[in-house]
Amino acid sequence: EVQLVESGGGLVQPGRSLKLSCLASGFTFSNYGMNWIRQAPGKGLEWVASISSSSSYIYYADTVKGRFTISRDNAKNTLYLQMTSLRSEDTALYYCARSRTVAPDYWGQGVMVTVSS
Amino acid sequence: DIQMTQSPSFLSASVGDRVTINCKASQNINRYLNWYQQKLGEAPKLLIYNANSLQTGIPSRFSGSGSGTDFTLTISSLQPEDVATYFCLQHNSWLTFGSGTKLEIK
Repeated sequence: EVQLVESGGGLVQPGRSLKLSCLASGFTFSNYGMNWIRQAPGKGLEWVASISSSSSYIYYADTVKGRFTISRDNAKNTLYLQMTSLRSEDTALYYCARSRTVAPDYWGQGVMVTVSS
Repeated sequence: DIQMTQSPSFLSASVGDRVTINCKASQNINRYLNWYQQKLGEAPKLLIYNANSLQTGIPSRFSGSGSGTDFTLTISSLQPEDVATYFCLQHNSWLTFGSGTKLEIK
């Protein structure tokens, strides 16, 4: 069974940093691209970043480019999202999702990030 | 950027009803459209990929149609366990989501 479990969320002050993790199991992690997708309270879903299976290709939404870094450790079956210079508008539930070719197929349950002073 | 307009935002139907949810893309996305179901407190689940392909393990009462700019998710006979929010996703150019349809049982 495919499982994706996010961790690392919490309350953080504006301008500070936070690193999310997503532990994958139930499939060969190194064979799949991965994504971070977020949903702000009361808002729709927003794609944040994607990374290919070997980290050769990395893409970001314009809203996070230059502030967020997606990475992965295939030996640890773990996806990461390093978030810096956080803003109130980054407050959201962050989902980790596996790529089926391009689009996500399996998703985690999400981890909440709240940016507030 | 491609915008996805999903309708309706809210839908109330009876058990056994045929239910349709629509997504319209702001430009041609061929068949690069997925449908997902999200139940309260759960992770989103892929139902349909590439407009009309049923994901493994999904009941056959779910189907998708459309190409280009107009797409439809159909539930042929609504069941109580189908109460959820449904959303579309285009993956022709980056990834953009529809705003979601909350489905309840009347």
